[in-house]
Amino acid sequence: ETGVTQSPTHLIKTRGQQVTLRCSSQSGHNTVSWYQQALGQGPQFIFQYYREEENGRGNFPPRFSGLQFPNYSSELNVNALELDDSALYLCASSLAGGVGTQYFGPGTRLTVL
Amino acid sequence: QKEVEQNSGPLSVPEGAIASLNCTYSDRGSQSFFWYRQYSGKSPELIMSIYSNGDKEDGRFTAQLNKASQYVSLLIRDSQPSDSATYLCAFHRGQGGSEKLVFGKGTKLTVNP
Repeated sequence: ETGVTQSPTHLIKTRGQQVTLRCSSQSGHNTVSWYQQALGQGPQFIFQYYREEENGRGNFPPRFSGLQFPNYSSELNVNALELDDSALYLCASSLAGGVGTQYFGPGTRLTVL
Repeated sequence: QKEVEQNSGPLSVPEGAIASLNCTYSDRGSQSFFWYRQYSGKSPELIMSIYSNGDKEDGRFTAQLNKASQYVSLLIRDSQPSDSATYLCAFHRGQGGSEKLVFGKGTKLTVNP
């Protein structure tokens, strides 16, 4: 167990809806990264949060947004859901300035119908 | 050219054999490399990290890094059926303060009893 938690475990939404996914980082970690993993693919970087600010973003549209709270927990929000948003969403926590080691939570499986 | 290339497999080995997983990467500036194991339906689990050229051993796992050839590998000795999973290779990219992991698609390993 990494100490990183995510909720919910599974989620089913319809196209056009909005979704919020939540993540609590490992104790002592101040950085949270979000990844999207489609079936049969490796995780793709969405964005990272450090000190409550977005600290880098991958090739995802603005309808993917996030927050980080003072306790380092984080939310991922996706607006106007599309069928292709169906994926496993992974949260990873790390310590800024380290060698890049990231520990993943169990993930949230999002299905968009 | 993909940033991380892995043979998608499937790679099948008999129980007790050595499984060899390979990965090449494109970013010469990368300093940190990781192997994650992902069981079906689960999130990636960190099993090895390597930062310097050469070999790093941890139990039955050995990671090998050759920065000149931009190549990293993972050897699993005395393979067990419980090692059957997808193995993801990743490197750490730290640019402009953002620290993200760039993943390959993964190699699916099956260890046959």
